[in-house]
Amino acid sequence: DQQVKQNSPSLSVQEGRISILNCDYTNSMFDYFLWYKKYPAEGPTFLISISSIKDKNEDGRFTVFLNKSAKHLSLHIVPSQPGDSAVYFCASKAPSGSRLTFGEGTQLTVNP
Amino acid sequence: DGGITQSPKYLFRKEGQNVTLSCEQNLNHDAMYWYRQDPGQGLRLIYYSQIVNDFQKGDIAEGYSVSREKKESFPLTVTSAQKNPTAFYLCASSIEPGYSGNTIYFGEGSWLTVV
Repeated sequence: DQQVKQNSPSLSVQEGRISILNCDYTNSMFDYFLWYKKYPAEGPTFLISISSIKDKNEDGRFTVFLNKSAKHLSLHIVPSQPGDSAVYFCASKAPSGSRLTFGEGTQLTVNP
Repeated sequence: DGGITQSPKYLFRKEGQNVTLSCEQNLNHDAMYWYRQDPGQGLRLIYYSQIVNDFQKGDIAEGYSVSREKKESFPLTVTSAQKNPTAFYLCASSIEPGYSGNTIYFGEGSWLTVV
């Protein structure tokens, strides 16, 4: 039972354009959502998060949007840079316990 | 310099052997985790520990064992019972289990290959 899904395994954009990565979840108990960025053979690094009491959180070029009714979140990167090329994972957490549930990841490639 | 240290970075195991992956953190975090990454399957939770001397199975615990004798250490043993152990293993920690704003921080990962 995949509770967090990233339906696009890959995304390719031009440098300077917007990258939009999507994530859907099924568990209505999730109340905290995170995005991680991962380069090959390295551990994921935390990028940005959002609580379920908000619908938007912005940090520099990165903005996460949460649509609770649709159980959907998205990560916008603008402008995209070649250094943003990596695998992006979304993750969700329920109030009880500390474990995160991860999506499958989306490989973002930003072309110069 | 605070962080999570995993060792070894690369490990080769013969079939039938047990191997132990080390994970040490000096962040004073209470919770620690082991994840496994396989292509196209994201990160799957093997085991996690919210406090010293306590740990719980994750989604794919079969063939693995852990211990949490010290706050800063959470070693993972991949036993011969694990049928498909070749993968990238990630250790992580977080400051406060159950906190809604909890963020998990990862180590650099360990590659295990069965030969």
